[in-house]
Amino acid sequence: SYELTQPPSVSVPPGRTANITCSGPRLWDKFVSWYQQKPGQSPILVMFQDTHRPAGTPERFSGSNSGKTATLTISGSQAMDEADYYCQAWDSYTAHVVFGGGTKLTVL
Amino acid sequence: VQLLESGGGLVQPGGSLRLSCTGSGFTFSNYAMIWVRQAPGKGLEWVSAISGSASSTYYTDSVKGRFTISRDNSRNTVYLHMNGLRAEDTAIFYCAKDVNSDDFSSSCYDSWGQGTLVSVSS
Repeated sequence: SYELTQPPSVSVPPGRTANITCSGPRLWDKFVSWYQQKPGQSPILVMFQDTHRPAGTPERFSGSNSGKTATLTISGSQAMDEADYYCQAWDSYTAHVVFGGGTKLTVL
Repeated sequence: VQLLESGGGLVQPGGSLRLSCTGSGFTFSNYAMIWVRQAPGKGLEWVSAISGSASSTYYTDSVKGRFTISRDNSRNTVYLHMNGLRAEDTAIFYCAKDVNSDDFSSSCYDSWGQGTLVSVSS
């Protein structure tokens, strides 16, 4: 089965840049999306098709996909950005939606 | 856009439940829908997907043969019929709206419901 791998946790001081990575085979032929989930809340989409921000996602959020690793970057991290972040892609070989294991972002 | 799930509850191992997710604020039939679950303290796990026309359905391996996804576009509702429930199925189940109808290669999910809790225990 296809898997996306994320680091379990990332810590960043307020105002600094946080990079959350997502790796997997053949990422070059996939679009990666990112979701933010705060405790007790449903996930929300913060990045789609690797680099596109939905309306409402702050400009400090950006995304990239090198073909081996997708990265969600939060520039000037704020306390309100503390959350779990999940990457997601569609694997056409298995016809499965795949989520990464999630990364807990701590801003302190 | 709103998604409202219902149908969760406590069920014994081997039992059945039917989850419903009703959408509003968008043309329901134009979008694929998925179910995602989250076990207590764990990450998101995709369960099943259905295209806007219901012509295509997909399942994660652990639920194949036990769960069935369907939709009634006249009622703006997607269902998840769950049979043979196991303790490891205990989770919050979310429905989510795709941005596409039938092309899953660029799928992402721009609206999510509040979730419904399924507990499987004797």
